[in-house]
Amino acid sequence: NAGVMQNPRHLVRRRGQEARLRCSPMKGHSHVYWYRQLPEEGLKFMVYLQKENIIDESGMPKERFSAEFPKEGPSILRIQQVVRGDSAAYFCASSPARSASYNEQFFGPGTRLTVL
Amino acid sequence: SQQGEEDPQALSIQEGENATMNCSYKTSINNLQWYRQNSGRGLVHLILIRSNEREKHSGRLRVTLDTSKKSSSLLITASRAADTASYFCATDAENSGGSNYKLTFGKGTLLTVNP
Repeated sequence: NAGVMQNPRHLVRRRGQEARLRCSPMKGHSHVYWYRQLPEEGLKFMVYLQKENIIDESGMPKERFSAEFPKEGPSILRIQQVVRGDSAAYFCASSPARSASYNEQFFGPGTRLTVL
Repeated sequence: SQQGEEDPQALSIQEGENATMNCSYKTSINNLQWYRQNSGRGLVHLILIRSNEREKHSGRLRVTLDTSKKSSSLLITASRAADTASYFCATDAENSGGSNYKLTFGKGTLLTVNP
């Protein structure tokens, strides 16, 4: 059973370009979460999605960032017109059905975005 | 201070010694989890402790939780060089919908175990 898959592992973009990060959750998981980790920092929640629905995007910048989790295919985190401050590691996590009292999230290896 | 803040920020010990890392948080939680992150890699889930639990063991790991002090500790016994990594605590607080999913991480403790 493969774990959470993310690609690419490393992504280099110039300022103003678009970055697309992909995440395939673990088999049987229908909940996806995106986190961002700045250098020397802990992970910060960005967005929580279920299939075809954005449940909570309170941690995502209002401008330039968007996320989707279509019925078929991986979840996509899209950053338009990237700036240097977007350079970070972006982690995806997945979980099975949400529980009121237990929520173990399984993390992928991350995508390290570098904006030149 | 932030929710889920670990201390010390860095810890260096010799192989075979025990390592203790602490985590403090601010708001009421449902669960507290500890993760390990090797340099440049993803997070590995170590252990989850629920708010109604006080202590939990998993192999060489021992986690305690004191909800009155809003703090937790992670003890790694008989450390090995392979334990060298950053360790993060993550909390999930119950939101208004009665479910928890938004993990809040601290900055982590960088543990170095010298052979």
